[in-house]
Amino acid sequence: NAGVTQTPKFRILKIGQSMTLQCTQDMNHNYMYWYRQDPGMGLKLIYYSVGAGITDKGEVPNGYNVSRSTTEDFPLRLELAAPSQTSVYFCASSLPARVSGNTIYFGEGSWLTVV
Amino acid sequence: AQKVTQAQTEISVVEKEDVTLDCVYETRDTTYYLFWYKQPPSGELVFLIRRNSFDEQNEISGRYSWNFQKSTSSFNFTITASQVVDSAVYFCAPPKSTASKLTFGTGTRLQVTL
Repeated sequence: NAGVTQTPKFRILKIGQSMTLQCTQDMNHNYMYWYRQDPGMGLKLIYYSVGAGITDKGEVPNGYNVSRSTTEDFPLRLELAAPSQTSVYFCASSLPARVSGNTIYFGEGSWLTVV
Repeated sequence: AQKVTQAQTEISVVEKEDVTLDCVYETRDTTYYLFWYKQPPSGELVFLIRRNSFDEQNEISGRYSWNFQKSTSSFNFTITASQVVDSAVYFCAPPKSTASKLTFGTGTRLQVTL
């Protein structure tokens, strides 16, 4: 029952540091997503991927990079951490709409604080 | 563009009260899906329901029920006999016809007290 697994769950970064949020799913889903959720706000899409080797920008991609070398993994990289990137990050995955009707499975979230 | 409006930012009810969370959507698609998700205080997002635009029947799952009306572009969510464990932020996701770029609004925070 692993589903979507994110690590780390909590992290404190200093301004200018880099880090990678790991995300892996074991459901053989084609689509994967990264969202961020700021306090009291909705979710904003950072990047998404429709399959291995394919990534695309969402609403708020600046300051982030992603890669999708395998179906299972979709890491999110912060190169130069800034206080504005303090947020909760959610990784998610789904099958194509024709199969799943857009049901998205979320990880448990990663709390990131940049100081 | 597809969007949803959850006009209720926060709702506070006493346990055992019924509560309805409103969701009004906009779309130009003729075929689409609508979703509700729950985010409890622990933070994870929990899928609640997916509704196909072809199916306007109301759905009931235990204390939860959903009223989908295409005529008013609404997909409202009712919790009957609310419980403290229902306290969460509830997101209605904008209608989508494809799996990419699923976005969410600001949600409605529900607080159920004793």
